[in-house]
Amino acid sequence: EVQLLESGGGLVQPGGSLRLSCAASGFTFSTYGMSWVRQTPGKGLEWVSVISDSGVTAYAESVKDRFTVSRDNSKNTVYLQMNGLRAEDTAVYYCAKLTWNSGRIFDSWGQGTLVTVSS
Amino acid sequence: QSALTQPASVSGSPGQSITISCTGTSSDIGGYNYVSWYQQHPGKAPKLIIFEVGNRPSGVSSRFSGSKSGNTASLTISGLQAEDEADYYCSSYTGSSTNWVFGGGTKVTVL
Repeated sequence: EVQLLESGGGLVQPGGSLRLSCAASGFTFSTYGMSWVRQTPGKGLEWVSVISDSGVTAYAESVKDRFTVSRDNSKNTVYLQMNGLRAEDTAVYYCAKLTWNSGRIFDSWGQGTLVTVSS
Repeated sequence: QSALTQPASVSGSPGQSITISCTGTSSDIGGYNYVSWYQQHPGKAPKLIIFEVGNRPSGVSSRFSGSKSGNTASLTISGLQAEDEADYYCSSYTGSSTNWVFGGGTKVTVL
């Protein structure tokens, strides 16, 4: 069974930094892309970033140059380093397993970790 | 404002069928068969229920079906059940720097 467990969320002041982690199990982590998707309270979903199995990365315009996604295949973990945080980054952040060859889909999701940016 | 447009809410009685629309552009829904749908119950993570327009993952009820015409995708839930009460999100891969876009979500209420 695929399991994704996010951690690292919390309260941070505007301009601050946080690093989210997502520990994966139940599949061959190194052969899958991983993505981060966020959900603002009471609102919809927004794709944030992706890292391919080979380490190629991409970001939404809203977080480009502020967020960095990385992965450690030896630890089956994907990370999201968030710098220069803004109030509008407040959201629940989900990591999701990406299956590229069957529709570019997020076929498993973690339970999410809440990031609150406020003074 | 979300990139894909969904109705905010849809309701139906048990046993009825409902359809949720998801409208995009030729750069996303109209350009690719990479439309997926996710179900989210309150306080839970999204769950994939439809991929590649009309395919269901293993374990998802056959009461869920998907289709697409032009720039609009649709999710139909037949034989509506109380457990179907949830939020539903459409998504499309775009192939551009945007990569993936989502709809704003539709709240399904079982009357």
